[in-house]
Amino acid sequence: RKEVEQDPGPFNVPEGATVAFNCTYSNSASQSFFWYRQDCRKEPKLLMSVYSSGNEDGRFTAQLNRASQYISLLIRDSKLSDSATYLCVVNAGGYQKVTFGIGTKLQVIP
Amino acid sequence: DAGVIQSPRHEVTEMGQEVTLRCKPISGHDYLFWYRQTMMRGLELLIYFNNNVPIDDSGMPEDRFSAKMPNASFSTLKIQPSEPRDSAVYFCASRLGRGLALNSYNEQFFGPGTRLTVL
Repeated sequence: RKEVEQDPGPFNVPEGATVAFNCTYSNSASQSFFWYRQDCRKEPKLLMSVYSSGNEDGRFTAQLNRASQYISLLIRDSKLSDSATYLCVVNAGGYQKVTFGIGTKLQVIP
Repeated sequence: DAGVIQSPRHEVTEMGQEVTLRCKPISGHDYLFWYRQTMMRGLELLIYFNNNVPIDDSGMPEDRFSAKMPNASFSTLKIQPSEPRDSAVYFCASRLGRGLALNSYNEQFFGPGTRLTVL
């Protein structure tokens, strides 16, 4: 089983729609969780960290479910500019490296 | 701050040639990471350094790959000899780890990547 698994998509959604991505991780000792965004032919950039209590940043909401070992990202009111690949990132507690999921591609359609 | 700087941005070479990729991390960052990204395998960690010392090179695919960090502001990833299957985008990233608790993790900042094509 892969350490971090994501549905690669693509997810094609109309503007204004709500879309959600899940990401599962295999290491129950994982302590830190993140979502990164990667635009086509660009480098990954941090979108948001994922906290145990869940967190929200504008139209974006991240949730952590430790019991089922997954994290989620919800995007409300999708914009054309949200089109990108969203990478789930997990690190195991005490280790200074992280594992990236393969990414979920989102395409927002006019 | 200029961010993480990588060179070259694009490299096209022939099988068997030596390839050297370069990275300048963000000033003050004490961790440096080399990643390789392909469509099939996604973003894979090759090696990372802490205070210029290689900590984990378990992701380096084989002996053809080597990485060095002679000082805090420069690192290289070398492939010798290169093969067509090495074609990928190679990213360098850095982050600040100094002063953090063991289970804390700061954001990694990525360079723009080097797109390598081996013919």
